[in-house]
Amino acid sequence: GIQVEQSPPDLILQEGANSTLRCNFSDSVNNLQWFHQNPWGQLINLFYIPSGTKQNGRLSATTVATERYSLLYISSSQTTDSGVYFCAGTRYSGAGSYQLTFGKGTKLSVIP
Amino acid sequence: DTEVTQTPKHLVMGMTNKKSLKCEQHMGHRAMYWYKQKAKKPPELMFVYSYEKLSINESVPSRFSPECPNSSLLNLHLHALQPEDSALYLCASSQDIGRGGLYEQYFGPGTRLTVT
Repeated sequence: GIQVEQSPPDLILQEGANSTLRCNFSDSVNNLQWFHQNPWGQLINLFYIPSGTKQNGRLSATTVATERYSLLYISSSQTTDSGVYFCAGTRYSGAGSYQLTFGKGTKLSVIP
Repeated sequence: DTEVTQTPKHLVMGMTNKKSLKCEQHMGHRAMYWYKQKAKKPPELMFVYSYEKLSINESVPSRFSPECPNSSLLNLHLHALQPEDSALYLCASSQDIGRGGLYEQYFGPGTRLTVT
């Protein structure tokens, strides 16, 4: 299966600062998703982005599939952005099934 | 609507108890998943159901027993669990499981399980 590496593992930001989170994968992926896990454990879908660039408010993501990486940009960070950000890519798991493989996450803390 | 619901939110059970976790989606998805997440770790896949049939079992111990009564519901029956099974249990769904993995997965809020 694929390996998914995220960096940095931890990030502390002052409120209002910008940041870039990176996700590298060991092999080509058919799909890439970014999630935000809030302190209560809910995994919130941020982007479904196999390739290209998408934007949603203060967040944007870019996946360069040919170079096997994806970036998540957070601008004008807010305390509510705190939590763990996961990227996950699909891998073939047999029986015609493709399953998500998660990176270890980036823990973001935004301080006022 | 992209909502997956899970009940209960919290569960404390003894090692001799039998309990069940429930998951429901009304998005018309035909694939449903159970994940286990330990503290400070990413979610780990446990089971996958496709069209109400078990498609993948990631070598999960038999004390965890999944069930898919219909395309909208997914249960996880728990029996004789160990303290190390304490974790956040997440349910997810997607439109399907194949087609090159092009289907987005949506997660429920999870059940936080404590085994005493």
